[in-house]
Amino acid sequence: SYELTQPPSVSVSPGQTARITCSGDALPKKYVYWYQQKSGQAPVLVIHEDSKRPSGIPERFSGSSSGTLATLTISGAQVEDEADYYCYSTDTNGNHKVFGGGTKLTVL
Amino acid sequence: QITLKESGPTLVKPKQTLTLTCSFSGFSLNTTEVAVGWIRQSPGKAPEWLALIYWDDDKRYSPSLKSRLTITKDTSKNQVVLTMTNMDPVDTATYYCAHKNFVIVRGVIISGWFDPWGQGTLVTVSS
Repeated sequence: SYELTQPPSVSVSPGQTARITCSGDALPKKYVYWYQQKSGQAPVLVIHEDSKRPSGIPERFSGSSSGTLATLTISGAQVEDEADYYCYSTDTNGNHKVFGGGTKLTVL
Repeated sequence: QITLKESGPTLVKPKQTLTLTCSFSGFSLNTTEVAVGWIRQSPGKAPEWLALIYWDDDKRYSPSLKSRLTITKDTSKNQVVLTMTNMDPVDTATYYCAHKNFVIVRGVIISGWFDPWGQGTLVTVSS
């Protein structure tokens, strides 16, 4: 099976930059997508195709990918950005569609 | 505006078969380059992709659960149904359905992502 690895937690103060990483062997060939999930809610897409931001997502959210490592960056994190963040991608064949283990972002 | 909503039993017994329905609006599964997927999330865990059905009735399943899953669509009702056999307490989770977006270049899908998701439905497996 295929795995995406994320740090379990990231903590920043309000206004600081938060960076959440996701590593996977297929990332040089496959896009990564990022989801935000607040407590009790369904996941919401915040980045698609490595670095594209859907309409309605604040500009402070950005994404990048290089080699086997993808990064979600929240520039000037706000208290309302506290959530679990999951990366999503596939293996090189597209058969295994997987989510990373998730990163809990604390902003305080 | 695309919306999806899951429905089905909240409690199933071990070894029973679970049947969940996803009712959606804002798009049609008769339209090319459209798909609906099912994803579940056990309490405190990451989401886990289960199954996907495309506009042309092509189907994909999680390799680890393939033997237990069946996904079908009813385009006249704008519904997608997932069945999972031989339920076990470890299958207790919130089950989501989601619309899948694609980027297709020269007939090849080069990217795809789930957006939006339904609100999810919690299924508990217990005797």
